Amino acid sequence: DAGVIQSPRHEVTEMGQEVTLRCKPISGHDYLFWYRQTMMRGLELLIYFNNNVPIDDSGMPEDRFSAKMPNASFSTLKIQPSEPRDSAVYFCASSPGGGSNQPQHFGDGTRLSIL
Amino acid sequence: GQQVMQIPQYQHVQEGEDFTTYCNSSTTLSNIQWYKQRPGGHPVFLIQLVKSGEVKKQKRLTFQFGEAKKNSSLHITATQTTDVGTYFCAGRRGGADGLTFGKGTHLIIQP
Repeated sequence: DAGVIQSPRHEVTEMGQEVTLRCKPISGHDYLFWYRQTMMRGLELLIYFNNNVPIDDSGMPEDRFSAKMPNASFSTLKIQPSEPRDSAVYFCASSPGGGSNQPQHFGDGTRLSIL
Repeated sequence: GQQVMQIPQYQHVQEGEDFTTYCNSSTTLSNIQWYKQRPGGHPVFLIQLVKSGEVKKQKRLTFQFGEAKKNSSLHITATQTTDVGTYFCAGRRGGADGLTFGKGTHLIIQP
């Protein structure tokens, strides 16, 4: 079975540019989570969706960040404009119905570098 | 907001020695999950603890959930080089479904 699929795996861009990260969750999973991982701050939950609806976006750092889930098989995380401090590994994860009572399955992540 | 603290941040052990990482929450948790992340990889689910005082074992790994459901530990007996990685605990955040992750313990094993 295919796991969570993220693209791109690596992204290097200049500050001020728009960055779009993509995620395809595991089929049948009701929950989708976006995380950011840095050495300083660890693994931070940015936003999560339940049945395509954003439930909690309190972890989104600022208005430059936005996330959408137009259907059950696709989600995007967009940064516009990007800044060097946004450099991090961004993970998408999905889980079956039951939310935090279920294991989360992580994708391989997108390693983002903003120059 | 809820905070999940993990110690130590780094642990160097000789292969064959035991290893323990501790997780403490500022609030009572409904459940706690443990994940392992290999260098360059992504977090992989290991186990979930739900009941007060619960103890679960997976081969050389022993997981405990505190009686007050505010702390947890992971103990590895006789470490092997395959155990290298970062071990994270994650607790349910308040009444929502999102997990709050600790910053992890990096396990470094010297052969």
